[in-house]
Amino acid sequence: DIQMTQSPSSLSASVGDRVTITCRASQSISTYLNWYQQKPGKAPKLLIYAASSLQSGVPSRFSGGGSGTDFTLTISSLQPEDFATYYCQQSYNTRTFGQGTKVEIK
Amino acid sequence: EVQLVESGGGLVKPGGSLSLSCAASGFSFSSYTMHWVRQAPGKGLEWVSSISRTSSYISYADSLEGRFTISRDNAKNSLSLQMHSLRAEDTAVYYCAKDSGISCSSTSCSYYFDNWGQGTLVTVSS
Repeated sequence: DIQMTQSPSSLSASVGDRVTITCRASQSISTYLNWYQQKPGKAPKLLIYAASSLQSGVPSRFSGGGSGTDFTLTISSLQPEDFATYYCQQSYNTRTFGQGTKVEIK
Repeated sequence: EVQLVESGGGLVKPGGSLSLSCAASGFSFSSYTMHWVRQAPGKGLEWVSSISRTSSYISYADSLEGRFTISRDNAKNSLSLQMHSLRAEDTAVYYCAKDSGISCSSTSCSYYFDNWGQGTLVTVSS
């Protein structure tokens, strides 16, 4: 099975900060990598698919990059509504999620 | 509008069984792979199982050790998950999720979960 490792597990940041979350796959997954945002008590919401494609309706401050085994999710200017948990997920072989990164208010 | 509505969750004793259902509407159910994803209280997301459009391809997370069975009824627009030999660690919110099918930009492709249900809570406890 493909393992996905996110870092950091949590971070504290302020409104307006630039935030980057990384995700590493245990083997190459090409660009079969997606990013989701989840808020407490809610189902996850797709932000980025195919490593770098912004889902319709998602603000442009969110961006994704990478291919192969190393990927990033960047929020260029953190907004109050962005405090949430973020997950990467591979779809190269079955499906696997990273363990999540909780973004908290500093 | 796509709607996925899970049902069947509840309290079950260790070693017991439970069956979950997901009623789908607003899209051509028989045209998409479907999935179950779970989330234990305070924990991360875990993919559980997938079933292809015609049920010809089924996969499960290794952690289930053969205790769960996914199925679908395309005539009834329904997805199911039968769970046996339940353990405390199976306690979670179980989500039904629709697969996007292959989606490509100019340079990259992926499959993703494009619609989710609200989830149903399964609690395994004596």
